[in-house]
Amino acid sequence: SAVISQKPSRDICQRGTSLTIQCQVDSQVTMMFWYRQQPGQSLTLIATANQGSEATYESGFVIDKFPISRPNLTFSTLTVSNMSPEDSSIYLCSVKGVDLPRESNEQFFGPGTRLTVL
Amino acid sequence: DQQVKQNSPSLSVQEGRISILNCDYTNSMFDYFLWYKKYPAEGPTFLISISSIKDKNEDGRFTVFLNKSAKHLSLHIVPSQPGDSAVYFCAAVIGGGGADGLTFGKGTHLIIQP
Repeated sequence: SAVISQKPSRDICQRGTSLTIQCQVDSQVTMMFWYRQQPGQSLTLIATANQGSEATYESGFVIDKFPISRPNLTFSTLTVSNMSPEDSSIYLCSVKGVDLPRESNEQFFGPGTRLTVL
Repeated sequence: DQQVKQNSPSLSVQEGRISILNCDYTNSMFDYFLWYKKYPAEGPTFLISISSIKDKNEDGRFTVFLNKSAKHLSLHIVPSQPGDSAVYFCAAVIGGGGADGLTFGKGTHLIIQP
């Protein structure tokens, strides 16, 4: 597996502001994903971060609200824009296809970013 | 519409006994299944997985069983240890090896009692 770090680990933000979350991996990976876990809920896929192109969003998630970048094979950012209290969640990045040559179904997760919006 | 369901929010098991966590799915297109363990304030940790072409996969104390006809899988932990106390998530994916993200259940909180 890979070592995955996220910054910040937690934050408390005011409504109407934006927060950018970073995900860094210590190996090159094929795929990177962003998930959200709302309080008491399961993990929900927000989008697939595509290197060098626009992210692929799941139903219910849009680029204006959750812009995503992936400039290379080890780094991605997720921005939560114009935040409201409903955005209070844990945001997690995950990776798949560690060390590029190996393709598998297993995804490995970062530690998560706990966001509270007041 | 919950495509992956874990109907037991919590489960309490005595240390040394077997823990059995259950998961049901509705989408017959899922062809790969994974179990994750999550401690508070940490990301999910991958435990074990199984392809739809198999009905059992074993790794140490962990065994996953898949019953495709019933759209049901289970995770067995034996013997259960105090460190196993955590939330366990079942997840599924379509098109093994493809680009899809995972669909998760809501999780089961396993409590191992001494």
